[in-house]
Amino acid sequence: NAGVTQTPKFQVLKTGQSMTLQCAQDMNHEYMSWYRQDPGMGLRLIHYSVGAGITDQGEVPNGYNVSRSTTEDFPLRLLSAAPSQTSVYFCASSYSGTGVTYEQYFGPGTRLTVT
Amino acid sequence: GNSVTQMEGPVTLSEEAFLTINCTYTATGYPSLFWYVQYPGEGLQLLLKATKADDKGSNKGFEATYRKETTSFHLEKGSVQVSDSAVYFCALDLDTGRRALTFGSGTRLQVQP
Repeated sequence: NAGVTQTPKFQVLKTGQSMTLQCAQDMNHEYMSWYRQDPGMGLRLIHYSVGAGITDQGEVPNGYNVSRSTTEDFPLRLLSAAPSQTSVYFCASSYSGTGVTYEQYFGPGTRLTVT
Repeated sequence: GNSVTQMEGPVTLSEEAFLTINCTYTATGYPSLFWYVQYPGEGLQLLLKATKADDKGSNKGFEATYRKETTSFHLEKGSVQVSDSAVYFCALDLDTGRRALTFGSGTRLQVQP
């Protein structure tokens, strides 16, 4: 199993450009999520999905869109990039459901710089 | 709201020294608690977890005990190695079905030979 994969590893955008960060997992996990990591702030949840066709907002959703058409893929779209979106982005996946604590598996991250 | 507070780093230790990284939390319910580790250039990996009060999580020589009375989950290791140099994140999950981890700011550990 490849686990959670993310592309690209690095990206530089100009203000106002759009792009999609790709995330895929091959573990048949229902739950997927996107976090951003900023210095001194830990990771903050952007959007998450509990299954194909179901997404919801996390802590910092503004400026980002997501969709989940398949179990495997969960792309993150920046419609009009801003310098405040310069960050490292991590995708994660796990089994879903309440009552049991499942581990979240993280991808290697995408480092995005917006100039 | 929910939050996690970690001691600021970096923490610099000599090899074989004792490690403690403090973590306290605020939560509206009864969370599960986690320590994740991030090695340079990599994503986060689960180091250990505890799901209820007085549980002790352990892995690779690291330990942490879920203390409900002090709302703490301090990470300890008796003898650190250079290979333990990484950033350590404390996190909580309120088991709402969202799998929405709330992270602390992270503590960088540097172990010198």
